[in-house]
Amino acid sequence: QQQVKQSPQSLIVQKGGISIINCAYENTAFDYFPWYQQFPGKGPALLIAIRPDVSEKKEGRFTISFNKSAKQFSLHIMDSQPGDSATYFCAASKSGGYNKLIFGAGTRLAVHP
Amino acid sequence: EAQVTQNPRYLITVTGKKLTVTCSQNMNHEYMSWYRQDPGLGLRQIYYSMNVEVTDKGDVPEGYKVSRKEKRNFPLILESPSPNQTSLYFCASSPRTGFGNQPQHFGDGTRLSIL
Repeated sequence: QQQVKQSPQSLIVQKGGISIINCAYENTAFDYFPWYQQFPGKGPALLIAIRPDVSEKKEGRFTISFNKSAKQFSLHIMDSQPGDSATYFCAASKSGGYNKLIFGAGTRLAVHP
Repeated sequence: EAQVTQNPRYLITVTGKKLTVTCSQNMNHEYMSWYRQDPGLGLRQIYYSMNVEVTDKGDVPEGYKVSRKEKRNFPLILESPSPNQTSLYFCASSPRTGFGNQPQHFGDGTRLSIL
């Protein structure tokens, strides 16, 4: 049973456009929601994370929107650049859960010039 | 430079031939874990360790073993590899467990092909 569902599986965006990736979770005990960015041949790297006490967190061109009642969160990449082309994973974990991350299936983003 | 180092990066081997993938971190992190990454499934945790001599199963532990004799090293052992263990493997570490949800630092991966 997939506890974190991520969509879309792949995404093509033009340079300067907005990329939006969505995730939904099932376990209401989750209280930490990070996004990881992975380039080919590299391991995932933490991009941005949010806790459910806020509805939005912004770092530069990257924004997480969080909807606790709907159990959904999304990553928005503003002014998308070719250098943003990568695979993005959402994840969830709960405090006291031995730092175990439950990952979504991933979204392959391609930003075309 | 702070990093998680995995070796080998690529390995092609045959069914039943024991293999070990090494993982080492230089950040003095207590928590280490192994994940496998498969298309359409994301990353799934195989085993994790909260500290030296403390290990436990993740979501997909069948066919794998681990050990944590030193804080910096966390090798993944496949005693009798099978084709369904063909995958991309990642080792990760973080400063502590439990409350605080510290970000995990990942190695660059090991691509295993079991024929």
